[in-house]
Amino acid sequence: EAGVVQSPRYKIIEKKQPVAFWCNPISGHNTLYWYRQNLGQGPELLIRYENEEAVDDSQLPKDRFSAERLKGVDSTLKIQPAELGDSAVYLCASSSSRNSEAFFGQGTRLTVV
Amino acid sequence: DQQVKQNSPSLSVQEGRISILNCDYTNSMFDYFLWYKKYPAEGPTFLISISSIKDKNEDGRFTVFLNKSAKHLSLHIVPSQPGDSAVYFCAASARNYGQNFVFGPGTRLSVLP
Repeated sequence: EAGVVQSPRYKIIEKKQPVAFWCNPISGHNTLYWYRQNLGQGPELLIRYENEEAVDDSQLPKDRFSAERLKGVDSTLKIQPAELGDSAVYLCASSSSRNSEAFFGQGTRLTVV
Repeated sequence: DQQVKQNSPSLSVQEGRISILNCDYTNSMFDYFLWYKKYPAEGPTFLISISSIKDKNEDGRFTVFLNKSAKHLSLHIVPSQPGDSAVYFCAASARNYGQNFVFGPGTRLSVLP
């Protein structure tokens, strides 16, 4: 069974430019997460979806970040415009339910220059 | 305020010996705990979990111990193997209160041959 797939793996952009990340969760997983991981820290939740509904986006910087999960499957996370401080690894994860362990993708390493 | 703490940034252990990774938490509502392992350039991989109704859970070489009164859990790896060298993250959630998982900053384990 395929795991969580993310693309791209790496992205380098100039500040003020837009960037988008894509995630395909494990088939049948209704819960999808986007995390951000800074160097030397653990993953921090940005947003959680239950099917196509964003049920927890309290940590998402809504002035520049947006996310969507069309048809309750694939998801995209967008940053516009990017800032230097957005450089981090962006991880997507999915689980069969909110109370179950999450399975992570390989992440997208974003570098903003 | 860090709710999940891993006070040892790194740990070195000789191959064949026991590795003990520690995790402390401050939120008394946490009732479910996970350990993840992360290799470089990969996403975290789920390792083992424990519910607050238990004080021990074992899976092969990996055992997690939970001391609720001390708000402390530990991951024991016996015997340690070079392939166990990775960053280990502790995560906790208050499932009964609908909270998402909170991750610690991680401990880098090096198993020396």
